[in-house]
Amino acid sequence: DGGITQSPKYLFRKEGQNVTLSCEQNLNHDAMYWYRQDPGQGLRLIYYSQIVNDFQKGDIAEGYSVSREKKESFPLTVTSAQKNPTAFYLCASSMLERDRKAFFGQGTRLTVV
Amino acid sequence: AQSVAQPEDQVNVAEGNPLTVKCTYSVSGNPYLFWYVQYPNRGLQFLLKYITGDNLVKGSYGFEAEFNKSQTSFHLKKPSALVSDSALYFCAVRDGSARQLTFGSGTQLTVLP
Repeated sequence: DGGITQSPKYLFRKEGQNVTLSCEQNLNHDAMYWYRQDPGQGLRLIYYSQIVNDFQKGDIAEGYSVSREKKESFPLTVTSAQKNPTAFYLCASSMLERDRKAFFGQGTRLTVV
Repeated sequence: AQSVAQPEDQVNVAEGNPLTVKCTYSVSGNPYLFWYVQYPNRGLQFLLKYITGDNLVKGSYGFEAEFNKSQTSFHLKKPSALVSDSALYFCAVRDGSARQLTFGSGTQLTVLP
């Protein structure tokens, strides 16, 4: 089945550690996105990429990093510089055309312990 | 810059009654408007979109949305609510120049039996 897969579903991080969230899609989509979801704040864009080896910062990129070495993969690293990383992280992908809908993964819940 | 407002954090409606979830937007140029639904600890699922044409758009699960250009609104509606419609609903917009979707803060819909 075609789709977008995030792993792991739950992730625990100690303070001062970097962690990487995985996002893979087999939809042949050019664009991929990372959003952060906090209660009552909706979805906020962290990073997005429209093509391999290129990506742009979103509204809340500080403390995060990404890579896009393959079209299918867009991993997100939450670095120790992110002061409040506990949140639900959503990855999405879409075709480049602006009228196309985005497909979402099932999310990763990150908790700092 | 593009933005979306969902003025109601919570909407309660009795089963069988019509429901409306409100959304207003601000964009430069023509908007591309989307509604998504999210169930607990899951990713977002696409419901419907407005690109151009008829102001009343029909989508999944009996939902529809009315585009009103003069009021810059895109309210989600359903003639008869089901308990299973209880979920978090997000409105999103993309204008003619943006690659990424901008989401509203979400509206929690509760349908009471």
